[in-house]
Amino acid sequence: AAGVIQSPRHLIKEKRETATLKCYPIPRHDTVYWYQQGPGQDPQFLISFYEKMQSDKGSIPDRFSAQQFSDYHSELNMSSLELGDSALYFCASSPPRTGQYNEQFFGPGTRLTVL
Amino acid sequence: AQSVAQPEDQVNVAEGNPLTVKCTYSVSGNPYLFWYVQYPNRGLQFLLKYITGDNLVKGSYGFEAEFNKSQTSFHLKKPSALVSDSALYFCAVRWRNAGNMLTFGGGTRLMVKP
Repeated sequence: AAGVIQSPRHLIKEKRETATLKCYPIPRHDTVYWYQQGPGQDPQFLISFYEKMQSDKGSIPDRFSAQQFSDYHSELNMSSLELGDSALYFCASSPPRTGQYNEQFFGPGTRLTVL
Repeated sequence: AQSVAQPEDQVNVAEGNPLTVKCTYSVSGNPYLFWYVQYPNRGLQFLLKYITGDNLVKGSYGFEAEFNKSQTSFHLKKPSALVSDSALYFCAVRWRNAGNMLTFGGGTRLMVKP
């Protein structure tokens, strides 16, 4: 079965650089979520999109922005990178809303290292 | 504030023995409850969820969880642990009428020894 695809899987950047993470949801899933998992931490919700519109916003820094495109893939843009941005970034997707209780299917994550 | 807690950082169990990984949540409305498992360098894998109905939920790989409203708990259980069950387990909550994001517990590392 198709899963959530994230690219790149690993990314190394220097402070103050920019990074773009991509997420391709499971086919026919219309909602995309972004989470950040720091070393030894639980995942923290950043932002989500439903039908190309932002639906929920969590603890996403102002330096970060995201969008969902017409083909439902999503990109997380990160600017002025800081050492503390080093983390595993997960994308998740969920199927069309038949209720507010669909489970989220997670991708393998992008490991970002900021030097 | 809405929160979810996993009181144990690590649970050790011998292969073949039953296992329990604990999860409690703050009392604030009726939540949807989920369990995910994370293997090293892998994404989060869905195990099971509680939405409504029967308090005992059965999920993947022989895992089950029991929703206890009076104790605001959703403990993960398995009758007979396997070495391959060793991983990091996260309890997650989605509160109704509070968006669709998941709030995760701190995670519990399960170590199953042969």
